[in-house]
Amino acid sequence: EVQLVESGGDLVQPGGSLRLSCAASGFTFSSYWMHWVRQAPGKGLLWVSRIQSDGSSTIYADSLKGRFTASRDNTKNTLFLQMKSLRAEDTAVYYCARMNGYGYFDYWGHGSLVTVSS
Amino acid sequence: DIQLTQSPSTLSASVGDRVTITCRASQSITSRLAWYQQKPGKAPKLLIYKASTLQSGVPSRFSGSGSGTEFTLTISSLQPDDFATYFCQQYDVDWAFGQGTKVEIK
Repeated sequence: EVQLVESGGDLVQPGGSLRLSCAASGFTFSSYWMHWVRQAPGKGLLWVSRIQSDGSSTIYADSLKGRFTASRDNTKNTLFLQMKSLRAEDTAVYYCARMNGYGYFDYWGHGSLVTVSS
Repeated sequence: DIQLTQSPSTLSASVGDRVTITCRASQSITSRLAWYQQKPGKAPKLLIYKASTLQSGVPSRFSGSGSGTEFTLTISSLQPDDFATYFCQQYDVDWAFGQGTKVEIK
């Protein structure tokens, strides 16, 4: 059974940093491109980042470039999202998602809540 | 960037109703469109991909159609479990989501 389990969400002060993790199981993690998607409270889904299967290439939403960094450890079947210079508007549930080879997201984690507030 | 606009934003319907949600893209995305269902406090769930292909395990009352810039998600007979928010997503150029359509009980 495919499982994606996020962790690391927390309350952080504006300007702070946080690293989210997404532990994958039930599939060959190293074969799949992975994504991060976030959802602010009561709002829609915002695509955040994509990382290729070997971690060699990453892309980000224009509004987040330079502050967020996606990475992965295929030996530990884990995806990461390093976030810095956090702002109140970064408050959201962050989901990791597996991308099917055609481009859509066939499995999602349950999400991890990041709250940016003083 | 490709923008997706869903309509309506909110839809009030009754059990048994036929429901249609529209998603319009700012430029052609061929058939590279997916639909997701999300319930409060839960992760999105894939319903349809490639505009009209039903994901395994999704009830056949859900269907999708369209290509290019205009797409629809139809629920042929709304069931109690279908009250949720629905999002379209394009995966032709990077990735982007529509703003969502909340289907609520009338």
